[in-house]
Amino acid sequence: GAVVSQHPSRVICKSGTSVKIECRSLDFQATTMFWYRQFPKQSLMLMATSNEGSKATYEQGVEKDKFLINHASLTLSTLTVTSAHPEDSSFYICSVGPGTDTQYFGPGTRLTVL
Amino acid sequence: KNQVEQSPQSLIILEGKNCTLQCNYTVSPFSNLRWYKQDTGRGPVSLTIMTFSENTKSNGRYTATLDADTKQSSLHITASQLSDSASYICVVSAINFNKFYFGSGTKLNVKP
Repeated sequence: GAVVSQHPSRVICKSGTSVKIECRSLDFQATTMFWYRQFPKQSLMLMATSNEGSKATYEQGVEKDKFLINHASLTLSTLTVTSAHPEDSSFYICSVGPGTDTQYFGPGTRLTVL
Repeated sequence: KNQVEQSPQSLIILEGKNCTLQCNYTVSPFSNLRWYKQDTGRGPVSLTIMTFSENTKSNGRYTATLDADTKQSSLHITASQLSDSASYICVVSAINFNKFYFGSGTKLNVKP
């Protein structure tokens, strides 16, 4: 399966700052990547679909101006949490879908906003 | 409405025992169903994938079953180990929609 990495694995930031999370597809050229958020004891919630070379598609209720997604190449998508607040503290996971029926997940990024 | 429901929500078993996790779905048109294992603080890792025509799929001590008629799947873990402690997530995909539907997961705790 596809190998997906995320960086950083953990980040702690102050309220009001912005944080960038990288998702890399190491062995597959991904035209589509997915970003998920997972709160404690809950399952993954899809935030947005990142499309290479075009704008991301956001799920209902997800603020596109707060969660900026850039998919500039076939191997890299970034999620920037702007003006982070404590309620943004969560586990952020990306995935790569080589096909319409397959997903490979990254190891996740733990964001803590103080 | 496309939904995936898992049961039980949590489960505690003794090391060496077997257990079965359930997944019911209403996703249509059905493409495939995956079981993932997610360790705490890590991303999900795929255990099995099953398409419409497959009834059983094994991966070591993990055996998944699928009944496409009743839209039910189960994941059976044999001779559980402490390392099996994790959340197990059922994910169903719909044909041609590039969309995945997640169950809420079953948290398994294997005790010595």
